[in-house]
Amino acid sequence: AQRVTQPEKLLSVFKGAPVELKCNYSYSGSPELFWYVQYSRQRLQLLLRHISRESIKGFTADLNKGETSFHLKKPFAQEEDSAMYYCALTSFQGAQKLVFGQGTRLTINP
Amino acid sequence: GAGVSQSPRYKVAKRGQDVALRCDPISGHVSLFWYQQALGQGPEFLTYFQNEAQLDKSGLPSDRFFAERPEGSVSTLKIQRTQQEDSAVYLCASSHVAASDTQYFGPGTRLTVL
Repeated sequence: AQRVTQPEKLLSVFKGAPVELKCNYSYSGSPELFWYVQYSRQRLQLLLRHISRESIKGFTADLNKGETSFHLKKPFAQEEDSAMYYCALTSFQGAQKLVFGQGTRLTINP
Repeated sequence: GAGVSQSPRYKVAKRGQDVALRCDPISGHVSLFWYQQALGQGPEFLTYFQNEAQLDKSGLPSDRFFAERPEGSVSTLKIQRTQQEDSAVYLCASSHVAASDTQYFGPGTRLTVL
């Protein structure tokens, strides 16, 4: 079965500190992994996807197939990074439906 | 340009009432998805359309849930005889084509069943 696990519901760090949001997945095959973000009063939006290997707003995520993880990292947190973050996966085939984790609420303290 | 829009943004229904939630996808987007997001949870897939064809409805929780997209554009999610457990945010997303394109989400409709 496809499953995404985000072990931390809440994460609080100080501005300028490194951030790591954890994501583990289970999937029989080769999924595509995503991070979505939802800022306060805004809609869910794509932050990054592993296939594009981009760095968005200073965030990066590396797919580790051995550990089935796709942790999101940023070396120096900024206050505007405070938001809800969702890890998600989809298949490269079929309906491309997204399977989401429960989300992590990140708070950056000044 | 205009993004995905949903209406109404908020809906309060008495248990047993029928509700209809509307999604206007981005113009030209072939694929349309509905997700249900319960409080404190991530979104969960309900159903998927490619143009007017409903290709996957495996996530619909019961036969009280019905979705349509008759002209391949606007979609409606209908819930009959609403129950308290139907209370959630219903999200619509569209993408250009199914394979590998980014899904763009609407603002959601928050449904509260009393």
